[in-house]
Amino acid sequence: EDQVTQSPEALRLQEGESSSLNCSYTVSGLRGLFWYRQDPGKGPEFLFTLYSAGEEKEKERLKATLTKKESFLHITAPKPEDSATYLCAVGETSGSRLTFGEGTQLTVNP
Amino acid sequence: GAGVSQSPSNKVTEKGKDVELRCDPISGHTALYWYRQRLGQGLEFLIYFQGNSAPDKSGLPSDRFSAERTGESVSTLTIQRTQQEDSAVYLCASQAGGGGNEQFFGPGTRLTVL
Repeated sequence: EDQVTQSPEALRLQEGESSSLNCSYTVSGLRGLFWYRQDPGKGPEFLFTLYSAGEEKEKERLKATLTKKESFLHITAPKPEDSATYLCAVGETSGSRLTFGEGTQLTVNP
Repeated sequence: GAGVSQSPSNKVTEKGKDVELRCDPISGHTALYWYRQRLGQGLEFLIYFQGNSAPDKSGLPSDRFSAERTGESVSTLTIQRTQQEDSAVYLCASQAGGGGNEQFFGPGTRLTVL
């Protein structure tokens, strides 16, 4: 059974203080690892898909990386508007569903 | 429309009543998913449609839950004889094709069962 564990559960940063969020996963065959951002009261917003170990993708202050066992979401010089819950999910080669972690709630203080 | 829409945005019902939740996917997206998100938790898969067929309905928690999709477009999730543990946000996502493509989510329906 696929498993996704995110850490930390919550993270408070000062504006400009860079950090990383972790997503550890167990899957029989990785079809893709997905990062989403979720704001309160809204549906998840797609950020990145990573398909193979060593792959990296960037978008503004965010950079996602992937190894065979985990993914990191690096946040460089965050701003208060980056405050949200970040969700990680994996898709397995044998199916189409995504298995989600419970998310990391990020708060960036001005 | 530009994105996935869901209705109603909020639904309050009494225990034992039936509810219907609606999802309008992005036009042309052949795959559609329903997930459930309990307060403070991650998303839990319920059912997957490819076209109007549901090849994976293994996440439906009980036979009180059912879903259908028509015209390769709109989908309805029905919960019969609602229970308090059904209270959650129900999220719909659509996907172009399937497989490794990203899923795009709607805003969700917040269901409260009193």
